[in-house]
Formats: sequence, structure tokens, C-alpha cells
Amino acid sequence: SAVISQKPSRDICQRGTSLTIQCQVDSQVTMMFWYRQQPGQSLTLIATANQGSEATYESGFVIDKFPISRPNLTFSTLTVSNMSPEDSSIYLCSVEDLGLNGYTFGSGTRLTVV
Amino acid sequence: DAKTTQPTSMDCAEGRAANLPCNHSTISGNEYVYWYRQIHSQGPQYIIHGLKNNETNEMASLIITEDRKSSTLILPHATLRDTAVYYCIVRVHNQGGKLIFGQGTELSVKP
Repeated sequence: SAVISQKPSRDICQRGTSLTIQCQVDSQVTMMFWYRQQPGQSLTLIATANQGSEATYESGFVIDKFPISRPNLTFSTLTVSNMSPEDSSIYLCSVEDLGLNGYTFGSGTRLTVV
Repeated sequence: DAKTTQPTSMDCAEGRAANLPCNHSTISGNEYVYWYRQIHSQGPQYIIHGLKNNETNEMASLIITEDRKSSTLILPHATLRDTAVYYCIVRVHNQGGKLIFGQGTELSVKP
């Protein structure tokens, strides 16, 4: 199955600043997905990132707040912009793993905004 | 994708079988049942999936009712390391596209 490396694993950030999270996959994938998991909650899909096109955002998420890049078939970044304490969450990337017949997830980025 | 309903939490004694139910009464004929779990502070982990036949792998068994409106994930000999949130998801297989999570079942395996 695919192996995902996500960086940073955790960070503490000041409100008003931005953080860029990186997701590297060891194989080429068509779609990558970004999720947010707020404390004590389930995973919520932020957006789907296809290589060579703009990301598709779910309801409640906008590009100005969560810009995404997808420069090639193995890499993507998610930026959390102008952060507030409400953005404190775990952010995870995921890919559809056809070899596994399922989805593989990164280990997540635990973000705390102070 | 069809909606699923799971109990919020369950307890299981260590060494016993853990049976986690899931209702998916609106499932379509081409939708599979997937199970994932999330151990604290880690990304979700794939467990098993099936269409209509019962499935078994090294981690678990999946029992799907004949009308496909519900299923049960079975961990045959639960250990403390199986304590996690378990998610039941239904979607079309290999369709591509997003995976939508419900609230899941928090399973606590106790000594």
C-alpha cells in the first residue's frame, strides 16, 4: 500500500499567522484529499486536490482560508491561513490506494493556535 | 453515498470477540461496506470491506446481512491495542473520489 509522509507532525502557531502542511506519497496518485479533525470529532473533508487543476472544496471551506497546491502526482500542500484558535485541529491527507482497495492516510498534523 | 448509523460507544473485555454493528438501510446495489479505525492520535487505518458476501482477513471479519441493510465487524479476540474509534462507510468501490466519515463507534477494550 501507499506510504504517506506528512510534515510537520505538530506545531504551535500564533493567531493571525499561516502554516503550510506538506503531504508526500511514495507513488503517483490521481487524487489527494485533505481532512480536518477537530478535538473529539470525526474527520471532515476539506477538499480534493487533483494534479493540474484547482482543488475542489467542500461546503464550509474556502480557498482563501485553505489554499492547496498540487504540483505533481506525489505531492500536495495545504495552508491554513490567518489562523485563529478555532483552527486548532488535526489535519490529515489521504490518497485512494487501489492496491489496498481502500484509502491510506497520513499520520496527521496536530495544530494548536494560541 | 448512503448514510450509516453506529452506536456511539461500546466496551469489550480483553480476549473476547468485539462485535460492532452498523446500519446502512439506504445502501445501493453497487455500494460496498468499508470499515476503518482510528487509534488515538493516528490517521485512520483500513480494516476490511465487502459487497454482500462475508469477508475475513487477518484483522477482522465482516458479516453483511442478506438484505445488505446492516453489517457487523467482528474482532475475534480483542486486545487492548484494539481500543479505537471504528468507522463504517458505504460507497461505490474504486469509483474514485472522496471518503465521507460519520461519527463512528468508540470501542474500549478493558482488561
